[in-house]
Amino acid sequence: EVRLVESGGGLVQPGRSLRLSCAAFGFTFDDYAMHWVRQVPGKGLEWVSGINWNSGDTVYAASVKGRFTISRDNAKSSLYLEMNSLRVEDTALYYCAKGMAFDSRGSCDTWGRGTLVIVSS
Amino acid sequence: EIVLTQSPGTLSLSPGESATLSCRASQSVASNYLAWYQQTPGQAPRLLMYSASSRAPGIPDRFSGSGSRTDFTLAISRLEPGDFAVYYCQQYGTSPFSFGQGTRLEIK
Repeated sequence: EVRLVESGGGLVQPGRSLRLSCAAFGFTFDDYAMHWVRQVPGKGLEWVSGINWNSGDTVYAASVKGRFTISRDNAKSSLYLEMNSLRVEDTALYYCAKGMAFDSRGSCDTWGRGTLVIVSS
Repeated sequence: EIVLTQSPGTLSLSPGESATLSCRASQSVASNYLAWYQQTPGQAPRLLMYSASSRAPGIPDRFSGSGSRTDFTLAISRLEPGDFAVYYCQQYGTSPFSFGQGTRLEIK
């Protein structure tokens, strides 16, 4: 069974950092791009960042560029999101999603349940 | 950045009826890389369509996608109770890969 499990969310103060992780199961992780998508509870989806199969290409939303860093460890079948200089507006449920192709230009065919990040003083 | 505008914001229909959802892009979507997702309350999004008109595995043929460049449509025939949800379009042809604001399909 293809499955994604996010972790690392929590309550953090503005300006601080947090690292999210996503463990992947049931597929050949290094064959596919991966993405992070976030959603403020009750609101719409916002694509955050994507990374291709070998970490050679990373892309970001304008709202997080320069503050967030996506990375992956294919040996551990894991995806990460390092979030620095957090803002109140970064508060959201963060989903890890599997791309349909090795290139970051792909739709997301499998999603985790999400990990909640709350940025508040 | 490509802005996707979905319409209508809310669509009220009865089971058995057909639905037509629209997604309009502010500029041409490269290679028609346009996806549709369904999200029910408390659940993660589910991929329905990719490349504008290709159904994801396991998606019934009551769902169909069409369109190109800047205008795309998701059609759902013979609505079932489980179809009442929020639907999002996403373009993944040009980074950043943006989502539309969503269309809520509700039971009339």
